[in-house]
Amino acid sequence: KNQVEQSPQSLIILEGKNCTLQCNYTVSPFSNLRWYKQDTGRGPVSLTIMTFSENTKSNGRYTATLDADTKQSSLHITASQLSDSASYICVVSSTSGTYKYIFGTGTRLKVLA
Amino acid sequence: GAGVSQTPSNKVTEKGKYVELRCDPISGHTALYWYRQSLGQGPEFLIYFQGTGAADDSGLPNDRFFAVRPEGSVSTLKIQRTERGDSAVYLCASSLGGGPRHEQYFGPGTRLTVT
Repeated sequence: KNQVEQSPQSLIILEGKNCTLQCNYTVSPFSNLRWYKQDTGRGPVSLTIMTFSENTKSNGRYTATLDADTKQSSLHITASQLSDSASYICVVSSTSGTYKYIFGTGTRLKVLA
Repeated sequence: GAGVSQTPSNKVTEKGKYVELRCDPISGHTALYWYRQSLGQGPEFLIYFQGTGAADDSGLPNDRFFAVRPEGSVSTLKIQRTERGDSAVYLCASSLGGGPRHEQYFGPGTRLTVT
């Protein structure tokens, strides 16, 4: 069964600190992996996208890594800001059948002043 | 620029009633997706339209759920005989085309509460 699991479920850090969120997936065949940020009451917004051949992708203070062999990804946030408080969702796409997204349950990040 | 919009933003209905949720995709986007997101969970796929036709409706939980996209633009998700378990945020997304190369852009969602 295609699944995407994320850890930790929630995380609290102080402003200015770094953090790393984890994503493990069992989706096959793999197409690409995206990290989304979802603010409370809003729809998800894409941060990064990586295909099979890409190991790392950065978007400002966000850096995503992908290990397609172990089927793991991470999202590293540098110098966190209060506005980083949100849910971060790992989304894996498969090319099997009709193309669709398979979402993780998300990591809820809270950045404190 | 105009993104994906959804109306209403909130809907409260009584158990057993019928509801319609509307999605206005980004202009020119041929693919449209509906998802359901329960509290503390990631979005769950419901149905995917390519143009006017439902290319994949395998995520619809039962026959009380139905969606249409008659002119290949606006889509309506219809839920009959609502149950308390239908309470969730219903997200709509659109993309330029179907397939992995095209980014999906999400609307803000409709929060449905069935009392």
